[in-house]
Amino acid sequence: GQQVMQIPQYQHVQEGEDFTTYCNSSTTLSNIQWYKQRPGGHPVFLIQLVKSGEVKKQKRLTFQFGEAKKNSSLHITATQTTDVGTYFCPEGGSGTYKYIFGTGTRLKVLA
Amino acid sequence: NAGVTQTPKFQVLKTGQSMTLQCAQDMNHNSMYWYRQDPGMGLRLIYYSASEGTTDKGEVPNGYNVSRLNKREFSLRLESAAPSQTSVYFCASREASSLKQFFGPGTRLTVL
Repeated sequence: GQQVMQIPQYQHVQEGEDFTTYCNSSTTLSNIQWYKQRPGGHPVFLIQLVKSGEVKKQKRLTFQFGEAKKNSSLHITATQTTDVGTYFCPEGGSGTYKYIFGTGTRLKVLA
Repeated sequence: NAGVTQTPKFQVLKTGQSMTLQCAQDMNHNSMYWYRQDPGMGLRLIYYSASEGTTDKGEVPNGYNVSRLNKREFSLRLESAAPSQTSVYFCASREASSLKQFFGPGTRLTVL
């Protein structure tokens, strides 16, 4: 799998503020997946994006896949304390079994 | 349906000791993975098994061995533990149709 660079590494927001994390690759991705890991927990799959320009929503979470399939973003509207955790965006291993998760973005929400 | 299970949950070893971390999945997945997670280092792939009978190195395989015992079970062995192997170890399996990975709860290993 390709290595995807994720920014920012850390983000603190006040509860109710919006939050966005970005994943960028120098090469075209076959797909991109998003996982969330709560503190002390294990990563949990959130979503997979496959198509160029794809946008998917899960309640307050909006996921986008870039037109060139080289970047992706996760936007959280009106963050809540339940959004606390680390978000990862590996390429989903299509054509290869390897996943490279990287360091992720750690989100802290201040009440 | 338990998903992915890992044993033990916690382990403390002395330098030089050996141990095997166990992982099993009941979802009939072909592919299984071992990751380690250190503070500030994210998740790093140690080994993976694309299917029963095959194993391949990931990003950080040194100091580890794996065995894909059958379709359900994938174990990770530390032959001579070192303090640098103190970490949280996660096992995962992959659903072939969706490429989605399912993770176990992790094993917290400390090597003194």
